[in-house]
Amino acid sequence: QVQLQQSGPGLVKPSETLSLTCAVSGSSISSNYYWGWIRQPPGKGLEWIGSIFQSGTTYHNPSLERRVTISIDTTQNQFSLKMSSLTAADTAVYFCARHRWFGYDSLSRNWFDPWGQGTLVNVSS
Amino acid sequence: QSVLTQPPSVSAAPGQTVTISCSGSTSNIGNNYVFWYQQRLPGTAPKLLIYDNNNRPSGIPDRFSGSKSGTSATLGITGLQTGDEADYYCGTWDTSLSSHIFGTGTKVTVL
Repeated sequence: QVQLQQSGPGLVKPSETLSLTCAVSGSSISSNYYWGWIRQPPGKGLEWIGSIFQSGTTYHNPSLERRVTISIDTTQNQFSLKMSSLTAADTAVYFCARHRWFGYDSLSRNWFDPWGQGTLVNVSS
Repeated sequence: QSVLTQPPSVSAAPGQTVTISCSGSTSNIGNNYVFWYQQRLPGTAPKLLIYDNNNRPSGIPDRFSGSKSGTSATLGITGLQTGDEADYYCGTWDTSLSSHIFGTGTKVTVL
């Protein structure tokens, strides 16, 4: 059974960089999957941040791309998110998830399962 | 702002049926598969309910069903139970945006 365990600080100051890590158990992160990050601001819906393949290839939400770096560590079986230049609007629960992705231009099959437990990140001074 | 529109809320009595719509366009639902998630409490991990428009993962009761027609998708819940109270989100890939997108979310209330 695949499980994802997130870690990282819950409070980050404005203009600083958020760093979160997601440790994967029950599956090799080098398997033929993507690994993704999604966030949910308080009282709002879900927003995809980006995903990474075991080869290191990354895809990002275009609206966040300039501020986001996603990396993978196959030796530790984990992947990480860094988001820079934070503002209060980035306050959200951040989730990691295994991202199943087949197809890009049409008939794309794209889903997240399972998910990590979530980390509430508060951007405040 | 999401490009997948869902009703903010639906409600019904126990045992009744509810349907949740997810309206999109040809760049997302119209040409890609739709998935549905259940989030029991805001801020907790969503759970995959429906994959590939109308398939249930192992362990999901057959009270949950999905369908797709054109640029819209629908989640149905029959025999509504108190444990079904949750937020439900649709999701798919948007080819024009080059981004995975989620619906606006629907809160299901069991009266």
